[in-house]
Amino acid sequence: SQQGEEDPQALSIQEGENATMNCSYKTSINNLQWYRQNSGRGLVHLILIRSNEREKHSGRLRVTLDTSKKSSSLLITASRAADTASYFCATVEANAGGTSYGKLTFGQGTILTVHP
Amino acid sequence: GAVVSQHPSRVICKSGTSVKIECRSLDFQATTMFWYRQFPKQSLMLMATSNEGSKATYEQGVEKDKFLINHASLTLSTLTVTSAHPEDSSFYICSARLAARGAQYFGPGTRLLVL
Repeated sequence: SQQGEEDPQALSIQEGENATMNCSYKTSINNLQWYRQNSGRGLVHLILIRSNEREKHSGRLRVTLDTSKKSSSLLITASRAADTASYFCATVEANAGGTSYGKLTFGQGTILTVHP
Repeated sequence: GAVVSQHPSRVICKSGTSVKIECRSLDFQATTMFWYRQFPKQSLMLMATSNEGSKATYEQGVEKDKFLINHASLTLSTLTVTSAHPEDSSFYICSARLAARGAQYFGPGTRLLVL
């Protein structure tokens, strides 16, 4: 079952603005990952943040993790039209072993549109 | 590195036929691969976890006899949709887990249309 919930469901901004997407989850996690999907394409892994980390950066991406609130945020700075895509968070449950090891549970996603 | 391919990229078939989708990790070995399906404007839903050399583990509600999974090698997993019906039309995506990085790498997806 999908445990992640993301907000907003859709976000429309102008090029150059920052985009912030939030993700909440329900169980204890080992790590949380953010993925990007262009329309009708596969997913691209953006960043992984472990449960003992609070913030991580990669280029124009900044991810935060608050395990007490079971939430994460993805910030894209200085957005570009090429950033237009759907963004998904996905969690790997803590202490998941056996056949559940490494299993990702996806959130519903945020559709980001960046207008030139 | 960490490239995953899927074949075919899209397939159209008649109702009642079977369709096989291949998922390959091109530059790494993956003991575990995952199969997802995605309906338009929705998120990915995990169908099954494919482990090399053993039976796949299916998620609740996924019929194992309808969605046959074979993971015969460390770089190849196949999903066969048997006796496909129009409601099986969807976007099927596989991923392969690179254990050293803890991340999954996704294939480009296969769009299945059953007429």
